[in-house]
Amino acid sequence: GENVGLHLPTLSVQEGDNSIINCAYSNSASDYFIWYKQESGKGPQFIIDIRSNMDKRQGQRVTVLLNKTVKHLSLQIAATQPGDSAVYFCAENPNTDKLIFGTGTRLQVFP
Amino acid sequence: DAGITQSPRHKVTETGTPVTLRCHQTENHRYMYWYRQDPGHGLRLIHYSYGVKDTDKGEVSDGYSVSRSKTEDFLLTLESATSSQTSVYFCAIRAEGPYNSPLHFGNGTRLTVT
Repeated sequence: GENVGLHLPTLSVQEGDNSIINCAYSNSASDYFIWYKQESGKGPQFIIDIRSNMDKRQGQRVTVLLNKTVKHLSLQIAATQPGDSAVYFCAENPNTDKLIFGTGTRLQVFP
Repeated sequence: DAGITQSPRHKVTETGTPVTLRCHQTENHRYMYWYRQDPGHGLRLIHYSYGVKDTDKGEVSDGYSVSRSKTEDFLLTLESATSSQTSVYFCAIRAEGPYNSPLHFGNGTRLTVT
C-alpha cells in the first residue's frame, strides 16, 4: 500500500549502479526464502527464491545470496534502473504453512 | 497479478459495522491467504485456507473470520469493524505445498474504519 514505505530503512543509489539489499532472518530452521518487490499502491511481487541447499541463485539482473551461518540473505540488483524503485522485503519459511515476512527496505534510484 | 482479484479496492466503514472482503483467483490454486499490512510491521497473516472448507488461524486472527466454499473464492469478514482494523489487506495464493513455491499477491484492499 501507499504507506508501506514509512519508517523503513532507505537505500539510495544512482541509476546504473548495483544495489545490495540485506535481510537478517530469524529462524535457523527456515529452509526456503523469497524476495518480494512492492511498488506504491500494489501488492508484493515475487522476484526470486532460494532453498537452503543453495547459497546463490541468479535471475535476470538479480542475484540472491544466502549465508546460513549468520542467517543472512541479500538481494543484488545489477545496473539499477528507475523502475526498480520500490520497497523490497524478504520472507522465510521455517518449515510451517506460514511465511515470516521482514519489514522491508525502500530502494530509491536517482538519475 | 497471477489471476487474483480483490474487491473492493477501497472501503470506508464505520466502527461496529460488518465488512466482507473478497478474493477471487483464476489459477485453481489450493492455498489462499489473507494478510494485513501496516506501517512498521511486516505482512501479518490473518487466516489461511488449504482447501475448500479447510481454514486455519494466523497470528492476528482475532476479530476476523473467513470462509471458502469454492476453490476460487476466499472471503474475509470483520464481524464488527474497529479502528484498529484500518489497514491494507492482501490476499495471496500458492499452488503447491507450503515449502515448494512462493505466494502470489493481489493488489490489496485499503480499509478505513472511522
